This record gives sequence, structure tokens and C-alpha cells, in this order.
Amino acid sequence: DAGVIQSPRHEVTEMGQEVTLRCKPISGHNSLFWYRQTMMRGLELLIYFNNNVPIDDSGMPEDRFSAKMPNASFSTLKIQPSEPRDSAVYFCATQGADTQYFGPGTRLTVL
Amino acid sequence: TQLLEQSPQFLSIQEGENLTVYCNSSSVFSSLQWYRQEPGEGPVLLVTVVTGGEVKKLKRLTFQFGDARKDSSLHITAAQTGDTGLYLCAGSSGSARQLTFGSGTQLTVLP
Repeated sequence: DAGVIQSPRHEVTEMGQEVTLRCKPISGHNSLFWYRQTMMRGLELLIYFNNNVPIDDSGMPEDRFSAKMPNASFSTLKIQPSEPRDSAVYFCATQGADTQYFGPGTRLTVL
Repeated sequence: TQLLEQSPQFLSIQEGENLTVYCNSSSVFSSLQWYRQEPGEGPVLLVTVVTGGEVKKLKRLTFQFGDARKDSSLHITAAQTGDTGLYLCAGSSGSARQLTFGSGTQLTVLP
């Protein structure tokens, strides 16, 4: 298995633009997590899906952030409009049984 | 809100030395995990501890879960340069799959 796949790996955009981050989970994993990592705040859980259904989105910072999981093999995290303070590394992780497997992350820079 | 505090935040040692990293909380966790993250990659699970007082060994790494399941430690014996990385503890409560991550310890092992 190729592991969790995230795209793009790097994204540089200007303030106000829409950003879409993508994640392909490991086949058969029924839980998917979106995290954000910054030096100041560490690794924070944004939202968690189970069987494609959002279970806990209490970590989503504000309405500018939205996440979808239309099927078991794909999820997106969208920021609209983006702001400089959204600059961070965004990780997708998936879990089958007991272990979360992280993707390589998307490094987002908002200018 | 459950918080996990890690100490030290930064640690720089010479190859061959021993070290201990601590993870503390005022909350009780049903299980606690330790991850290592290298630059440009996502965290990778090292171990999961679930029983108070449990000790697990992974080669030169020894992990301990506190009796009250509120704290944990990671001890590395005879550190090697390949041990360099960001070490993260993460706790979960009950049957929830969500993890609360600690602030991380950046370890640098010098040759």
C-alpha cells in the first residue's frame, strides 16, 4: 500500500484565495483525521470522519474552513478565503484498527 | 480541554548519552502513544501503552505509562544520530479515536 497520499505537497497562495487540500486514505481505513501543525500551537486536530461522516469538527478554526469526505477514498479540506495566519503544515491521517497513519503533509504558505 | 505538556521542549545531546522525555497531564487517558516525526514527514507511531504502570521496550527506547495514567516517559539509552527528530506524545480517552497531542520534544543527537 502506498500509505496516506496528500496533494499538493506545497502550496503558496495569496491572501483571499481559495485553497483545497486533498487526501487519499489507506484502503480499508474507516477513520480519517485532518490536523494542522505550527510551531506555536503544535499538532491540532481540525476534524475527524468515521465511515465518511464528520464526527467531531470542534477543532475547525472558523467558517472559512470546511472539509468533506464524499467517499471512502477521498477527502478535501478547503480554506476560503485564506489568510496569512492559516500558514501551516496540514496533515491527513487515517486509522483502521488501533493505529493512525499520517500522510506526508501539505505545507501551506499564505502571503 | 485535555492538555499534554512535554518536557524538555528542546534537547541536544552527544551520541552515546542517555535521555528521558516526559509527558504530563492533569487528565486521565485510556491510552497514550508516542510518535517520532522527521523533517518533511508525518508523525510515525512508536508505541501505545494502555495499562497504568506499563513498561514497553523498543530496542534502546523504553516507554512507561504512569500508574494513574496521567503521565508517561520515554527513555533512550545510548542515543544515536538516527534518533534525531521531534518526539510527540498523544493521549486518547474512552473509546474515542481522537488524539490530543503534546507540544513535542525536539531531540538532536550530535555525532
